[in-house]
Amino acid sequence: KNEVEQSPQNLTAQEGEFITINCSYSVGISALHWLQQHPGGGIVSLFMLSSGKKKHGRLIATINIQEKHSSLHITASHPRDSAVYICAPCYNTDKLIFGTGTRLQVFP
Amino acid sequence: NAGVMQNPRHLVRRRGQEARLRCSPMKGHSHVYWYRQLPEEGLKFMVYLQKENIIDESGMPKERFSAEFPKEGPSILRIQQVVRGDSAAYFCASSPGLDYQSSSGANVLTFGAGSRLTVL
Repeated sequence: KNEVEQSPQNLTAQEGEFITINCSYSVGISALHWLQQHPGGGIVSLFMLSSGKKKHGRLIATINIQEKHSSLHITASHPRDSAVYICAPCYNTDKLIFGTGTRLQVFP
Repeated sequence: NAGVMQNPRHLVRRRGQEARLRCSPMKGHSHVYWYRQLPEEGLKFMVYLQKENIIDESGMPKERFSAEFPKEGPSILRIQQVVRGDSAAYFCASSPGLDYQSSSGANVLTFGAGSRLTVL
């Protein structure tokens, strides 16, 4: 049983489309990270949030603690957004449990 | 203010050799985490260390793997007698420590670029 479920696993989009990636987790957490991993492999932490909503540029992350659900939205998607997006809930001492990732490809 | 530095970026070893991967945390960060990403798989937690202490090693394989974070110098992940199944990307992340609290109560993590181990 996977503690973190992400959907969809794969996503293709045309440039300019609005993207939503969903994440559900099974137990209470202190915070949740959204990570971006580019084809070269490097990992960047996009957001860390524990309630409500955060926005950075074209990226928006929301979390509902009661429903144990988080979403990552990308507005006006661009080919450079193509990457794997990973949801990582954080338990207690920052031990992250990682989702399997959503592979996004944005075509021009 | 350099980020998390990992080296080597790429390491090739033959079966039975030892692999040592190093991680220098961000300046001011006293907590280090190691994660492993096997080919075509997701990231998995391995170990969480503070200076001179292992806090949580629940993700470490029982044999051949060890980690340390000495008072001086980088954190080191050591794999003895490597096997082909150890081929993976090993990522390190650091955080400021439990005395630094973000508004969520969890620390902000910064990831290194990873070390890719290939076992021939």
